[in-house]
Amino acid sequence: QQQVKQSPQSLIVQKGGISIINCAYENTAFDYFPWYQQFPGKGPALLIAIRPDVSEKKEGRFTISFNKSAKQFSLHIMDSQPGDSATYFCAARRDGGGSNYKLTFGKGTLLTVNP
Amino acid sequence: NAGVTQTPKFQVLKTGQSMTLQCAQDMNHNSMYWYRQDPGMGLRLIYYSASEGTTDKGEVPNGYNVSRLNKREFSLRLESAAPSQTSVYFCASSLRGYGYTFGSGTRLTVV
Repeated sequence: QQQVKQSPQSLIVQKGGISIINCAYENTAFDYFPWYQQFPGKGPALLIAIRPDVSEKKEGRFTISFNKSAKQFSLHIMDSQPGDSATYFCAARRDGGGSNYKLTFGKGTLLTVNP
Repeated sequence: NAGVTQTPKFQVLKTGQSMTLQCAQDMNHNSMYWYRQDPGMGLRLIYYSASEGTTDKGEVPNGYNVSRLNKREFSLRLESAAPSQTSVYFCASSLRGYGYTFGSGTRLTVV
């Protein structure tokens, strides 16, 4: 059972374009939604995150849009650059009680930004 | 530098051999996790430790064991390696599930 569904699996964008990656979740108990960026040969690194009481969060060229009623959230990368080429993972946090907190990850999107 | 340190970075095992992957964090995080990453499968949770002294199975625990040695260290053991365990393994830590910090990974090949 995949609780966080991510699309597309891969994405090719021209330099200067907008990259959009979408995620949908099922569990309404999720309370925190981060995005991770992973470069080849490296571990994932936190990029940006949002809580469900906020509809949008922007940090530089990266924006998360959150639609609580639709149980969907998306990452927008404005003015995409070749250096943004990486794999992006969405995730959702659930409080399992007793300090038991886990993230559930989407399967990832491989973004390629062509010069 | 603060963060999560994994050793070794690369390893080749023969089928049936055993090994332990080591992980240590210096951020005073309570929770630690082991994931495996395979092409097209994303990050799958193997085991996690919500706090010192506790461990629980994740999504794909078969063939693995873990030890939370202390607050800083969380090790993953393969008792009898199989080719299906060829993967990239990541350790991570977090404070109450926010902002996971990942190590740089261990690339394991089982032949």
